[in-house]
Amino acid sequence: RKEVEQDPGPFNVPEGATVAFNCTYSNSASQSFFWYRQDCRKEPKLLMSVYSSGNEDGRFTAQLNRASQYISLLIRDSKLSDSATYLCVVIYGNKLVFGAGTILRVKS
Amino acid sequence: GAGVSQTPSNKVTEKGKYVELRCDPISGHTALYWYRQSLGQGPEFLIYFQGTGAADDSGLPNDRFFAVRPEGSVSTLKIQRTERGDSAVYLCASSTPGQMNTGELFFGEGSRLTVL
Repeated sequence: RKEVEQDPGPFNVPEGATVAFNCTYSNSASQSFFWYRQDCRKEPKLLMSVYSSGNEDGRFTAQLNRASQYISLLIRDSKLSDSATYLCVVIYGNKLVFGAGTILRVKS
Repeated sequence: GAGVSQTPSNKVTEKGKYVELRCDPISGHTALYWYRQSLGQGPEFLIYFQGTGAADDSGLPNDRFFAVRPEGSVSTLKIQRTERGDSAVYLCASSTPGQMNTGELFFGEGSRLTVL
């Protein structure tokens, strides 16, 4: 079983749609959680941290459920520029462990 | 710019050859990571340096892979007797210890290795 699992998608949505991605992790000792964004043939970049209480950054909302070992990312009012791969990331010890990513394509 | 720099950006080699990939981290970043990303996959952890020492090399797939960071800055990933399965993008990232706690690694653009 992979340490971090995501639905690979692709999610094809129209502009303005709301879309949600989910992620599960296997190690209950995981300490911290994040979403990264990766554009095609580019390096990954930190999008936002994920807290148990839930946190928002503009159109993006992240949520953590420790009991279910489940992380989510909600994007409201999707823009064309949101098209990318979204990587779920968990810290184990000294290293960041990445999921395989979920592809989002926003179309006009 | 002052970002993480990786060279070469592209490397094509033949099976069995030796390859070196170089990473120049952001100045002042003591933590340096190597990841490998295959098509359709997320980055896979290889090795983590804190200063000059390898604090965690549990991700290196076998003894053909080796990495050094002799002066605590530039790092070199070395691959011996390359195999076709080594073909991937090799990503380097750096951070300060504080940034690591907040999950922020600064990645370079990667070195794309193709083994024919």
